[in-house]
Amino acid sequence: DAKTTQPPSMDCAEGRAANLPCNHSTISGNEYVYWYRQIHSQGPQYIIHGLKNNETNEMASLIITEDRKSSTLILPHATLRDTAVYYCIVIKAKTSYDKVIFGPGTSLSVIP
Amino acid sequence: GAVVSQHPSWVICKSGTSVKIECRSLDFQATTMFWYRQFPKQSLMLMATSNEGSKATYEQGVEKDKFLINHASLTLSTLTVTSAHPEDSSFYICSEMGLAGLSSYNEQFFGPGTRLTVL
Repeated sequence: DAKTTQPPSMDCAEGRAANLPCNHSTISGNEYVYWYRQIHSQGPQYIIHGLKNNETNEMASLIITEDRKSSTLILPHATLRDTAVYYCIVIKAKTSYDKVIFGPGTSLSVIP
Repeated sequence: GAVVSQHPSWVICKSGTSVKIECRSLDFQATTMFWYRQFPKQSLMLMATSNEGSKATYEQGVEKDKFLINHASLTLSTLTVTSAHPEDSSFYICSEMGLAGLSSYNEQFFGPGTRLTVL
């Protein structure tokens, strides 16, 4: 089973911030939170990842709660091209690897 | 990030034939490769995990004799769907995982996927 839970779908108005939540209450200390997205009929695309601290890159920001049991992916100014399924997954650090199980993700629809 | 390619991007075949899908890492030495299958409107389902030079580990319910995986080198993995049937029609995606340089975390990079249609 997936180690994360996400809402099945969300809508966001174009130009507004999209905030996608993820629960990972059983996350271990050596597991990172990764976010990927999948546009229809394409392979998943890496967005961002983090361990404890909040992270930001050119695509998005990742806010991780202090207890690390949940996180939020923020797309600051959503565009129509951001319509996709967003997956939140946890992956162990380099000392070992674990098979990566995808949950159903969140289907984000950006509305004009 | 690393670039992963898949070939072919789509294939149509007759029932009973075998189809080979290649997954190549173009600029990354992948220690671990994963193969996923995705049916319409569903999430990615992990089929198998393989390490270079060793046999693949298949997920429960995935027939290892039907889905042959070869991970002969750090840059190439192949998935062969043997005696394909219409129910094998799906979107097959490979991914590669390895250490991102001197970083302390594993990176997973996905291929663009291969659409298999079995008539």
